[in-house]
Amino acid sequence: DTGVSQDPRHKITKRGQNVTFRCDPISEHNRLYWYRQTLGQGPEFLTYFQNEAQLEKSRLLSDRFSAERPKGSFSTLEIQRTEQGDSAMYLCASSLLGRGLGTEAFFGQGTRLTVV
Amino acid sequence: DQQVKQNSPSLSVQEGRISILNCDYTNSMFDYFLWYKKYPAEGPTFLISISSIKDKNEDGRFTVFLNKSAKHLSLHIVPSQPGDSAVYFCAVNTDKLIFGTGTRLQVFP
Repeated sequence: DTGVSQDPRHKITKRGQNVTFRCDPISEHNRLYWYRQTLGQGPEFLTYFQNEAQLEKSRLLSDRFSAERPKGSFSTLEIQRTEQGDSAMYLCASSLLGRGLGTEAFFGQGTRLTVV
Repeated sequence: DQQVKQNSPSLSVQEGRISILNCDYTNSMFDYFLWYKKYPAEGPTFLISISSIKDKNEDGRFTVFLNKSAKHLSLHIVPSQPGDSAVYFCAVNTDKLIFGTGTRLQVFP
């Protein structure tokens, strides 16, 4: 399978705990995006990387959230001191910059986070 | 402020008929638009896209129309099939994707 892979698929955690999610993009893709989706909403942009550089972070991304892409390949998204409002589907996507802005992004299956 | 709007949260269509999903955007500088389809518990899947230099793009049963003066795009599915039942998101590419809130399409026999 050469698509975008996310791990874990589901995570249940107690409020106040830290969680970390992993995303493995399509191998030749140089851009990697993180989105969050809650019920009844479209995916909301959180942050994106071009290779290992984090180019943009949304205002939605509080300082409890941090993302890395250390070698320009896989990425991790960490949420510290989780709150119930963090419960959502976290989606990762990748794309290949170089064909212009028209290149579509391919999504993984997401990580469903439930904070109890 | 919603830059991409899908004002119909749901649509129900009979199998074999046309499904028309609509999307409005606010910024006339947007120049690349995409439609994604999402099944429950899965990530969005790319469906079709259109550049602002075109007003129509077709791929099999799916056609996207772009009306730049109205800042409106639509997705036509003909003929609709039960397997098309999903949530459809329109998105604009501004170096990242900005999504609408989605329209849930149900195709019934």
